Amino acid sequence: ETGVTQSPTHLIKTRGQQVTLRCSSQSGHNTVSWYQQALGQGPQFIFQYYREEENGRGNFPPRFSGLQFPNYSSELNVNALELDDSALYLCASSADRAAGGGRVLFFGPGTRLTVL
Amino acid sequence: AQKITQTQPGMFVQEKEAVTLDCTYDTSDPSYGLFWYKQPSSGEMIFLIYQGSYDQQNATEGRYSLNFQKARKSANLVISASQLGDSAMYFCAMSPPLFTGNQFYFGTGTSLTVIP
Repeated sequence: ETGVTQSPTHLIKTRGQQVTLRCSSQSGHNTVSWYQQALGQGPQFIFQYYREEENGRGNFPPRFSGLQFPNYSSELNVNALELDDSALYLCASSADRAAGGGRVLFFGPGTRLTVL
Repeated sequence: AQKITQTQPGMFVQEKEAVTLDCTYDTSDPSYGLFWYKQPSSGEMIFLIYQGSYDQQNATEGRYSLNFQKARKSANLVISASQLGDSAMYFCAMSPPLFTGNQFYFGTGTSLTVIP
C-alpha cells in the first residue's frame, strides 16, 4: 500500500449535480495530482497541487477545480456533472513538484464516479 | 508532445513463464523518465519500475526488468516467472523533463492474464 487514501470509493450522481472527491497524500509528500481514467483508457492528467496552489493543469474545463490544504490533503470538485464525467478518479502524491528525475507518483485506490 | 503507445490490448502467459509487454514512446526531449504501473481490478495503480533516459543500464526490480532501447524509443517490461497474481492491467507512462512540466503521460494499457 502506498499510504494514499481516497474517499469515497464509489459515488453515483445525476447529470448537473456537483461532486467533491477527497485525497490524503502519503506522509512526507507535498504534491498531489489528480487523474481521470475513463473505462478502457489510461489515466489523463487533470491538475496538480503544490503547497496549496495549482501547479499545472491538463485539458479539462474550469468546472473541474481543486484545493490543497496545509496538511497536503486535497479535494477535487466537479460542477455541472456530465455523463462523460463517469470515470475512475485517481489521486497521486509525490515528494516533489518537479516532474521527471525519477519522481514517482504513488496512487490511491481511486474513486469510481458514475453519472446518470 | 509526449506520447505513449501500447499496441497489445491483451496478453496471455503460462504460469512460471516470462512475458514481455511492449511500450513505445515519442518525445523530442533528451531528458525524460519512463515508468510501468500495474493496475489490478481493484483500481489502484501500483508502481513497478522506473528508467531514466540517461541511465546506461536497464532497470530491474525483482521479477521486473525494463528493456530500454533508446534509439528505437521503446521501453518494454519483462516479467519473469509469471505468477497468478500478475494478472492485471499494465500501463507504461512517461514523465517530462525535470522542471518543464508536471503531468505523466500514460498509454492505453495491456491486459495480462496468467494461465495456471
